[in-house]
Amino acid sequence: RKEVEQDPGPFNVPEGATVAFNCTYSNSASQSFFWYRQDCRKEPKLLMSVYSSGNEDGRFTAQLNRASQYISLLIRDSKLSDSATYLCVAQGAAGNKLTFGGGTRVLVKP
Amino acid sequence: EPEVTQTPSHQVTQMGQEVILRCVPISNHLYFYWYRQILGQKVEFLVSFYNNEISEKSEIFDDQFSVERPDGSNFTLKIRSTKLEDSAMYFCASSPDRGRETQYFGPGTRLLVL
Repeated sequence: RKEVEQDPGPFNVPEGATVAFNCTYSNSASQSFFWYRQDCRKEPKLLMSVYSSGNEDGRFTAQLNRASQYISLLIRDSKLSDSATYLCVAQGAAGNKLTFGGGTRVLVKP
Repeated sequence: EPEVTQTPSHQVTQMGQEVILRCVPISNHLYFYWYRQILGQKVEFLVSFYNNEISEKSEIFDDQFSVERPDGSNFTLKIRSTKLEDSAMYFCASSPDRGRETQYFGPGTRLLVL
């Protein structure tokens, strides 16, 4: 079983619409979670950290469900510039390495 | 805003040759990392480095790989004898500390082994 699993997509989203997607993680000892954004052939860039209480940053809302071991990301009022691959990332308690999912591709269209 | 920088941006090498990938982490950061991403695949952890020694490494990071912080600013990844399957994007990252601290990624070096 993959450590961090994501639906690869693509999610085709009309501009202005809302899109949501999840990822699941297998290691219950994972302590910290993040969403990174990756544009084609570029480096991952931190979008937001994910907390159990849920957190919001502008149009982006992230949620962590430890009981079910899944993380979600919701994007409201999608912009063309939101088109990217969104990487779900877990960080363990023992070390500080990041474990990446395969990414969910989002395409926002006019 | 401080950035992680990497050189070269692209490297083409022949199988069996040694390559050194260079990174300059953000200046006040203490932890340094190398990750790689084979084309079309996920980002994979290679190694983390703290206080001039490896703190963690993955199964990918075998005897062909080594890391070094030769001076106060550079952090290098050496692949001793490259294989075709080493072709990938190599990302350096740094963080102020461990745990929940954000890891900031450099722009990557695209390595092509022929």
